[in-house]
Amino acid sequence: QKEVEQNSGPLSVPEGAIASLNCTYSDRGSQSFFWYRQYSGKSPELIMSIYSNGDKEDGRFTAQLNKASQYVSLLIRDSQPSDSATYLCAVNTGNTDKLIFGTGTRLQVFP
Amino acid sequence: EPEVTQTPSHQVTQMGQEVILRCVPISNHLYFYWYRQILGQKVEFLVSFYNNEISEKSEIFDDQFSVERPDGSNFTLKIRSTKLEDSAMYFCASSLVGGGDWNGYTFGSGTRLTVV
Repeated sequence: QKEVEQNSGPLSVPEGAIASLNCTYSDRGSQSFFWYRQYSGKSPELIMSIYSNGDKEDGRFTAQLNKASQYVSLLIRDSQPSDSATYLCAVNTGNTDKLIFGTGTRLQVFP
Repeated sequence: EPEVTQTPSHQVTQMGQEVILRCVPISNHLYFYWYRQILGQKVEFLVSFYNNEISEKSEIFDDQFSVERPDGSNFTLKIRSTKLEDSAMYFCASSLVGGGDWNGYTFGSGTRLTVV
């Protein structure tokens, strides 16, 4: 069974701090990795994708991938209260169109 | 920005009844998907659809479920005889490409299905 694991949280950080969200996956053949943000009662919204080892930056967000360790993370710099949401890690194994989601980490940014 | 549109936003149905959830994918997208999320649980894959046929389905997608693209714009999920455990948020998604060379999906806003 291919799994994606995340700490459910909540992860509480003060406004302006860096939030670090982590995800591990079981299928070593996984090729594409995604971070989605989901506000309560809403649909997942894609915020980052990463395919190669290393870092990928987009504004305040940085995704990090380490395929050897089967680990992907998301850093949010200068966290804002509006970043408070559940962050879903999703993985695609490359021989299929489906995404396997983790349970998500709830992030709380307090003023 | 193009959107995936889902209707209705909330559907309440009695156990055993048939429901049809509707989605209008982004117009030039070719790959279509249904996912569901039971309250408090993870988003789960149900089915993917390409070139007017199912390309993959999960073990959740049993004979009670079917999908259709009846008119080239709508993409529907039918549940033939709903059970209490079908209560969930159902998300439609679409993408321009599939397989390994893609950038994820655009999800619709979801339909909350409540079976009573």
